[in-house]
Amino acid sequence: NAGVTQTPKFQVLKTGQSMTLQCAQDMNHEYMSWYRQDPGMGLRLIHYSVGAGITDQGEVPNGYNVSRSTTEDFPLRLLSAAPSQTSVYFCASSRHRSNEQFFGPGTRLTVL
Amino acid sequence: AQSVSQHNHHVILSEAASLELGCNYSYGGTVNLFWYVQYPGQHLQLLLKYFSGDPLVKGIKGFEAEFIKSKFSFNLRKPSVQWSDTAEYFCAVNPALSSNTGKLIFGQGTTLQVKP
Repeated sequence: NAGVTQTPKFQVLKTGQSMTLQCAQDMNHEYMSWYRQDPGMGLRLIHYSVGAGITDQGEVPNGYNVSRSTTEDFPLRLLSAAPSQTSVYFCASSRHRSNEQFFGPGTRLTVL
Repeated sequence: AQSVSQHNHHVILSEAASLELGCNYSYGGTVNLFWYVQYPGQHLQLLLKYFSGDPLVKGIKGFEAEFIKSKFSFNLRKPSVQWSDTAEYFCAVNPALSSNTGKLIFGQGTTLQVKP
């Protein structure tokens, strides 16, 4: 199993640009989530999904959209990038809602 | 609001020293507790977890943690650290009321630097 994969690993955007961060898992996990990691703030939940077709907001959802059309994929969309979205983004999945979450390698995003 | 506090933001130890990292949470109900580690340039990996039962849990690489319900704490310990333990450590809590969503609330993280 590849586990949780994320692309790209690095990305530089200009303010106002849009892009999609990809996340996929091959473990048939029902639960997936997106976090952003900022220095001194730990990881903060952006959006999460408890199954295909079901998504909900986390702690810091503004400026981000998600969808879950399949069990495997959970893309994160930045509609109009802002410098405040400069961060490292992690995708995670777990088999059940309260089980251990497996994290992807992260995407380091810089918005100029 | 629910929160997780890690008291030590940056810890510097010499090899073979003992380690204890503090973690407290502010939720009074049933919780699932986790410690994750992030080695430089890598993604988060699970060190150990507590769901129920024996409050002293053992994880990988010689780490252990003790859940003290009365103190809302889940401190991480290791008797003798190695240079390879240099990493950032995150405590995380999944409140039972959030079990339907699997939400994890993370602490701010503790950077551990072990000097050879």
